[in-house]
Amino acid sequence: NAGVTQTPKFQVLKTGQSMTLQCAQDMNHEYMSWYRQDPGMGLRLIHYSVGAGITDQGEVPNGYNVSRSTTEDFPLRLLSAAPSQTSVYFCASRRGLAGTDTQYFGPGTRLTVL
Amino acid sequence: GENVEQHPSTLSVQEGDSAVIKCTYSDSASNYFPWYKQELGKRPQLIIDIRSNVGEKKDQRIAVTLNKTAKHFSLHITETQPEDSAVYFCAANSGGGADGLTFGKGTHLIIQP
Repeated sequence: NAGVTQTPKFQVLKTGQSMTLQCAQDMNHEYMSWYRQDPGMGLRLIHYSVGAGITDQGEVPNGYNVSRSTTEDFPLRLLSAAPSQTSVYFCASRRGLAGTDTQYFGPGTRLTVL
Repeated sequence: GENVEQHPSTLSVQEGDSAVIKCTYSDSASNYFPWYKQELGKRPQLIIDIRSNVGEKKDQRIAVTLNKTAKHFSLHITETQPEDSAVYFCAANSGGGADGLTFGKGTHLIIQP
């Protein structure tokens, strides 16, 4: 049981480039989400999904797209990277849709946009 | 939406002393309040959580208290040890629904030998 996995661990992009951050979980969790973490800002919710085919925006969705074609995978796409998107990105999942379930985080992707 | 305030931003205590971190939240419908510990370069790890049907929960040296009337909750660490040094985040869910967690900005806990 690997839990929540993310790839890559590190990535450097140039402004305007696109890329996809991968996230997968093997716990059959319905709910998955993406957060970004910036110094002194805590973690902020980007997008979330309550099941395959269903996604919604969080607090800071601009510049990011998501899709959820399977229960296991929830990729995050940057269509045209900007320096303001330099951050550490964490994927998370929880078992059900109830907001009281424990949320588990992946190991993170450190992204630098030059 | 939910707003979570966390204090202090940095806390330095002597090894063996107690540490207390406090959070307030704004959404009276929030009903789940987890605490995460994050070591440098690592992912946030859940250390304790509390749901709104209880006022206090303990797990060895760690305890969390919740005051729903005042909308604040606190993390208490007793007999602090060097391995407690980390950044701690409080969080609250948004209205108990499918929305994610709203996090405080974190407290850097430093344990002085």
